[in-house]
Amino acid sequence: DAGVTQSPTHLIKTRGQHVTLRCSPISGHKSVSWYQQVLGQGPQFIFQYYEKEERGRGNFPDRFSARQFPNYSSELNVNALLLGDSALYLCASSLQGAGDTQYFGPGTRLTVL
Amino acid sequence: AQSVTQLDSHVSVSEGTPVLLRCNYSSSYSPSLFWYVQHPNKGLQLLLKYTSAATLVKGINGFEAEFKKSETSFHLTKPSAHMSDAAEYFCVVSFFSGTASKLTFGTGTRLQVTL
Repeated sequence: DAGVTQSPTHLIKTRGQHVTLRCSPISGHKSVSWYQQVLGQGPQFIFQYYEKEERGRGNFPDRFSARQFPNYSSELNVNALLLGDSALYLCASSLQGAGDTQYFGPGTRLTVL
Repeated sequence: AQSVTQLDSHVSVSEGTPVLLRCNYSSSYSPSLFWYVQHPNKGLQLLLKYTSAATLVKGINGFEAEFKKSETSFHLTKPSAHMSDAAEYFCVVSFFSGTASKLTFGTGTRLQVTL
């Protein structure tokens, strides 16, 4: 079975632009979470979605938004990019989200110039 | 508030010798604890998970961890290191905030394995 997939693998943007990152969960998983990992640090929680509804949000500005589709895939959108948004963005899927083990995708490396 | 502290940012061992990566946690209730590994330019792979069923948890690739409530510790061990174990290791606590199950990561321990 396929694991969590993310696209694109790498992305280069300039300040002020917006970006959309995509994630497909493991088949049968209904919850998707997003994390930001800045170089040299542990991942930080951004969002969790379950059954297309936002279940939780981390300490990130409103420039960050996400949604989950009926097929449980998800998009993370970031507007008005800043240099500090450069990071590895990780998507994790779980069966239901509430206490279930989260399985991570390979990530999208975003570079903001 | 839930948090984890990884006591060593970098650990170096020789191949074939034991590995010990230390983690202390803080939680107001019985936590779910995990160890994840991240190889260079890769995503995170689950090594093992503790959910109160047993205090000694066995994971993949010969790793195991022991939950000690009295010491609020969840240290990761392996009897004999292999070159392929060189990676970044994260101790993680899961907790509920509102309706979300969030993972809080430690700062990571980089494991170096030498010949």
